[in-house]
Amino acid sequence: EVQLVQSGAEVKKPGESLKISCKGSGYSFTTYWIGWVRQMPGKGLEWMGLIYPADSDTRYSPSFQGQVTISADKSISTAYLQWSSLKASDTAMYYCARRLDSSGYRFDYWGRGALVTVSS
Amino acid sequence: SYELTQPPSVSVSPGQTASITCSGDKLGAKYACWYQLKPGQSPVLVIYQDNKRPSGIPERFSGSTSGNTATLTISGTQALDEADYYCQAWDSGTAMVFGGGTKLTVL
Repeated sequence: EVQLVQSGAEVKKPGESLKISCKGSGYSFTTYWIGWVRQMPGKGLEWMGLIYPADSDTRYSPSFQGQVTISADKSISTAYLQWSSLKASDTAMYYCARRLDSSGYRFDYWGRGALVTVSS
Repeated sequence: SYELTQPPSVSVSPGQTASITCSGDKLGAKYACWYQLKPGQSPVLVIYQDNKRPSGIPERFSGSTSGNTATLTISGTQALDEADYYCQAWDSGTAMVFGGGTKLTVL
């Protein structure tokens, strides 16, 4: 069974750093892109970026380029999303999802999401 | 950058047909998919490749595309279909793109 297990909720202060994780299991982790998707409170889904764990090739949405860093450790089938200096506006739910590349591109499996709250 | 436009809200009576549209430049030349998102849950893929249903998705969910518009249709809408629905496509310049989402209310 394909599973993406995300790390838990986080409460941080502005200016702090954070790294959240997404561990894949039940499939070959290195052969599918993993994406990160943000949902701010009361807002829609926003694609942040993608990583190909086999070689850590990474693509960012222009809206998130330079704001976050996506990485992966294929030895432990885990992808990461990190911030070096959080802002209150980073408060959101963050989902990881597996991208299926067949007749178009879509996210077929999703993690449960990690709620990040940034507040002083 | 590529954009997908959805109506903010759609209302439907139980048992009736709900249609949610998604518009984007040359969307008909790309593959559109749709996700259902309920409060407290993760998104669920309900339609991919314009009109295909993943296993486990009820037959009442269908999709179509014509010109610049993709449409998600829910036939015989049930109360449990009340959710936010997002279209998504891939664009060579922007990569993954989501529509703004449509809140489906089953009255």
